[in-house]
Amino acid sequence: DQQVKQNSPSLSVQEGRISILNCDYTNSMFDYFLWYKKYPAEGPTFLISISSIKDKNEDGRFTVFLNKSAKHLSLHIVPSQPGDSAVYFCAAKSQAGTALIFGKGTTLSVSS
Amino acid sequence: GAGVSQSPRYKVAKRGQDVALRCDPISGHVSLFWYQQALGQGPEFLTYFQNEAQLDKSGLPSDRFFAERPEGSVSTLKIQRTQQEDSAVYLCASSPAGTLTTGEQFFGPGTRLTVL
Repeated sequence: DQQVKQNSPSLSVQEGRISILNCDYTNSMFDYFLWYKKYPAEGPTFLISISSIKDKNEDGRFTVFLNKSAKHLSLHIVPSQPGDSAVYFCAAKSQAGTALIFGKGTTLSVSS
Repeated sequence: GAGVSQSPRYKVAKRGQDVALRCDPISGHVSLFWYQQALGQGPEFLTYFQNEAQLDKSGLPSDRFFAERPEGSVSTLKIQRTQQEDSAVYLCASSPAGTLTTGEQFFGPGTRLTVL
């Protein structure tokens, strides 16, 4: 059973608009959540993370929101740029572990 | 560059052959991870090293998979008697001391293994 779920395989957004990528999880023992960005033929690149004791973390155009009661997090990109077009993976780490547990990813396409 | 490097980038093997995949982590990173990414899926954890010690190998799918990091730097993932279901991208990641808690890992470009 998947512990981290990204239910939208793809998202298309116009340049300058907001992109919202969603992620749901089932394990209440996760203590950190991370977003990775992946371009074709490259490895995932760390984007932003949030501790389970916070509900928001912001870094430039990227903001991650965490709703623990709903076991849901989202990544907001404002404004979206064509260079943001990539696959975005949501990942989580449990308190007792070191490995990351990934969702299946969402492909974001930003058109100019 | 100073990032994680992996070789070969692409590997084609006939079913039953043994393969060895290499990972050069970022210099000084004590933690090293291997992940397997099947087509259309997210990366899945295989194994974790802290320096030369393999502390977690719970994700290795069978005893045909073996990983080592004898000197605490370069790591090799070996797959014996490859099968078609082993076809995937194998990702290596490393992290420095202090980021194990927060989970941030630095990934290499991966090795795409195709088993015919």
